[in-house]
Amino acid sequence: AQSVTQLGSHVSVSEGALVLLRCNYSSSVPPYLFWYVQYPNQGLQLLLKYTSAATLVKGINGFEAEFKKSETSFHLTKPSAHMSDAAEYFCAVSKRGSQGNLIFGKGTKLSVKP
Amino acid sequence: GAVVSQHPSWVICKSGTSVKIECRSLDFQATTMFWYRQFPKQSLMLMATSNEGSKATYEQGVEKDKFLINHASLTLSTLTVTSAHPEDSSFYICSAWGGRGYNEQFFGPGTRLTVL
Repeated sequence: AQSVTQLGSHVSVSEGALVLLRCNYSSSVPPYLFWYVQYPNQGLQLLLKYTSAATLVKGINGFEAEFKKSETSFHLTKPSAHMSDAAEYFCAVSKRGSQGNLIFGKGTKLSVKP
Repeated sequence: GAVVSQHPSWVICKSGTSVKIECRSLDFQATTMFWYRQFPKQSLMLMATSNEGSKATYEQGVEKDKFLINHASLTLSTLTVTSAHPEDSSFYICSAWGGRGYNEQFFGPGTRLTVL
């Protein structure tokens, strides 16, 4: 079975500071991994995805994530936080890429202080 | 990217009534559509997967007689919550996958259901 664990339900950073959101996964097969962002009362928007190509994945809005098989991790980072980054972030895993069921973590709410 | 819409965006209904939520892929044909449920401050939980023209596949613990899913065309899937109760109040989100050539599922904006 696949599962995702997001460490920290709430992360608070200052504007301009590094953003680090943690995600660890469990999968019996090579996983496809995703990060999504959700703004209040909205659906999810894909930030980036890992599909067994490059281990360092660059996404939209300056976010990137690194797949580390040895650590079963896929942490999301952004060098400099912006106020507009405040949102809920979900890590997800799938066996079959985008056509398969997505198993989501519980989410991490990111707050950005001025 | 491709656009997925949901209608209505929010609905309030009385206990015991049925509510239908539509999910449409506006500019692509969705081979597969997914329905998720999200409780306040929690993650999305997959309810069912539907492929056009075939019966939906429900996740364990999801009552298929209560949550009726119809994927009648390549651009439309509907979720009907039958005999709704207050515990069915939630945020329902659909997503759609367009088949080969599409590298991601596209999510709708969600429908907030409140059952009184």
